[in-house]
Amino acid sequence: AQSVTQLDSHVSVSEGTPVLLRCNYSSSYSPSLFWYVQHPNKGLQLLLKYTSAATLVKGINGFEAEFKKSETSFHLTKPSAHMSDAAEYCCVVNTGKLIFGQGTTLQVKP
Amino acid sequence: DSGVTQTPKHLITATGQRVTLRCSPRSGDLSVYWYQQSLDQGLQFLIQYYNGEERAKGNILERFSAQQFPDLHSELNLSSLELGDSALYFCASSVLGDTDTQYFGPGTRLTVL
Repeated sequence: AQSVTQLDSHVSVSEGTPVLLRCNYSSSYSPSLFWYVQHPNKGLQLLLKYTSAATLVKGINGFEAEFKKSETSFHLTKPSAHMSDAAEYCCVVNTGKLIFGQGTTLQVKP
Repeated sequence: DSGVTQTPKHLITATGQRVTLRCSPRSGDLSVYWYQQSLDQGLQFLIQYYNGEERAKGNILERFSAQQFPDLHSELNLSSLELGDSALYFCASSVLGDTDTQYFGPGTRLTVL
């Protein structure tokens, strides 16, 4: 069965420091993987997606994610957090249906 | 702005009532998906339509139904509403379906009193 696990429900960083949001997936084949961001009272916005091309995927707003098949991971990173990055981040596996992780709330402290 | 529109933004109604949520997909997208996001359960897939036909069903209650019209907009009908139906309802669209990228609308917040 396909599944996705976000390892941290809450991450807190200081502005200007790196961000790491962790995601592990379970799939019997190479899936399409996505990261979405959701700001309060807003819809989900696509940050980036992996679809079996380059393993390092660059997204919007300076975010990147690296697909590691051996570790079944698709962690999201950003070198320097900005206050506007504070939001809920969701790792998603698409196997024909979207399977959502439980989400990680990113807090950015000034 | 994803290009997916949903109306209304907010809806407040009473238990036992019926409501209709509307979604217009991005121009050119043939697939429409409905999701429910509640506080305790996160995002749950409800149903997918592709070019007017039901394509996939998720955790959709029998009290809920949906349809996609010839102009590709979709409506989600929720009837005999219960307090537990209070949630954010999102619509998403994609060009075809399957593993395509889905683009989400801003959601409709339903409050059942």
